[in-house]
Amino acid sequence: DSGVTQTPKHLITATGQRVTLRCSPRSGDLSVYWYQQSLDQGLQFLIQYYNGEERAKGNILERFSAQQFPDLHSELNLSSLELGDSALYFCASSVGVGNSPLHFGNGTRLTVT
Amino acid sequence: AQSVTQPDIHITVSEGASLELRCNYSYGATPYLFWYVQSPGQGLQLLLKYFSGDTLVQGIKGFEAEFKRSQSSFNLRKPSVHWSDAAEYFCAVGVPNQAGTALIFGKGTTLSVSS
Repeated sequence: DSGVTQTPKHLITATGQRVTLRCSPRSGDLSVYWYQQSLDQGLQFLIQYYNGEERAKGNILERFSAQQFPDLHSELNLSSLELGDSALYFCASSVGVGNSPLHFGNGTRLTVT
Repeated sequence: AQSVTQPDIHITVSEGASLELRCNYSYGATPYLFWYVQSPGQGLQLLLKYFSGDTLVQGIKGFEAEFKRSQSSFNLRKPSVHWSDAAEYFCAVGVPNQAGTALIFGKGTTLSVSS
């Protein structure tokens, strides 16, 4: 058990809808990262937050947004969903900012129909 | 920008045989290097990491990896594979001491273990 909790485990929704994925980092970790895993693209870094502030941005679409709250949990919001957004979304956390090892949650599997 | 290549998409190894998974990185200096393993339906678990120092790194579950600067490689090895090692393995690279960056992952190598 990595200590990173992601909810929900599975999500099925229709195109055009909006969903929110939630992540609670490991106790003591201040950084939260979001990754998208798909068969064709592999693991793609989306965004990183450190202690409530955005610190790095990867291949995140404009339809996607995230935030980290004062209690350090994070939410990833996906809107105007398309079939191609179907993927496994992982949250990871780390103690610091500069590439300390990441600890991953078990992911949220999103299916857009 | 840094990048990672895992040349082998799928490898099958007999149980008890040795294993080597290849990883090549692209970065101007010595990066931080990691190997993760993902079992079906699970998140990624850290096997081992290299930051500096001894180029042979020991990890969990009997795995080791060797950093070779001249070859820009960080190959993962295990002397004797067990059926429970069947999983997907990811190599990742990070930039040392740089805030605001995240790990970049390779596309992964799927390991099958035959009896």
